[in-house]
Amino acid sequence: GQSLEQPSEVTAVEGAIVQINCTYQTSGFYGLSWYQQHDGGAPTFLSYNALDGLEETGRFSSFLSRSDSYGYLLLQELQMKDSASYFCAVRDDKAAGNKLTFGGGTRVLVKP
Amino acid sequence: DGGITQSPKYLFRKEGQNVTLSCEQNLNHDAMYWYRQDPGQGLRLIYYSQIVNDFQKGDIAEGYSVSREKKESFPLTVTSAQKNPTAFYLCASSASGISYEQYFGPGTRLTVT
Repeated sequence: GQSLEQPSEVTAVEGAIVQINCTYQTSGFYGLSWYQQHDGGAPTFLSYNALDGLEETGRFSSFLSRSDSYGYLLLQELQMKDSASYFCAVRDDKAAGNKLTFGGGTRVLVKP
Repeated sequence: DGGITQSPKYLFRKEGQNVTLSCEQNLNHDAMYWYRQDPGQGLRLIYYSQIVNDFQKGDIAEGYSVSREKKESFPLTVTSAQKNPTAFYLCASSASGISYEQYFGPGTRLTVT
């Protein structure tokens, strides 16, 4: 089966940097996605890593190490609007339809 | 504006009743998905469809049914067989072969009493 582990909650102040780790155990692996979800809202896609290394998109970066079955999302220059839940999701190449399996989410609380 | 719509936003039903949740997309995506989210939890896949007239069970399909008669539409029926149907239901779609980037609708919050 598939399992993804993320910390349940992280608190930081405005302007700080937060790293959200994600470790996974899956029967197959194609890539790791990250999504953001504000309370009561729809998840929105942030990034995708299929290869090892760091992908940077503005204040957010995502990293993948396939050999360690590990990735992280880095949130820099935190803003109040970054308070949300963040989910990692694995795309499994051995599952029919390349479906995504989501982690339990990390709730990020940004304080003034 | 392209996107995914789900209706209604809030839905209340009595136990023992079937209920159908609507999901429509105008993104011209081939693949569509239904997820269930419980408070403080991640998303769990109920059903997904890669193409019209075809769909597969996800991880928690028991007590649910779907149809995919049109590319734009992927309704989910929560049947009376679903033991604990109260949850937040999210519909998503993606372009063919790009399942890692899914677009989500606003969700339907179903309460069954």
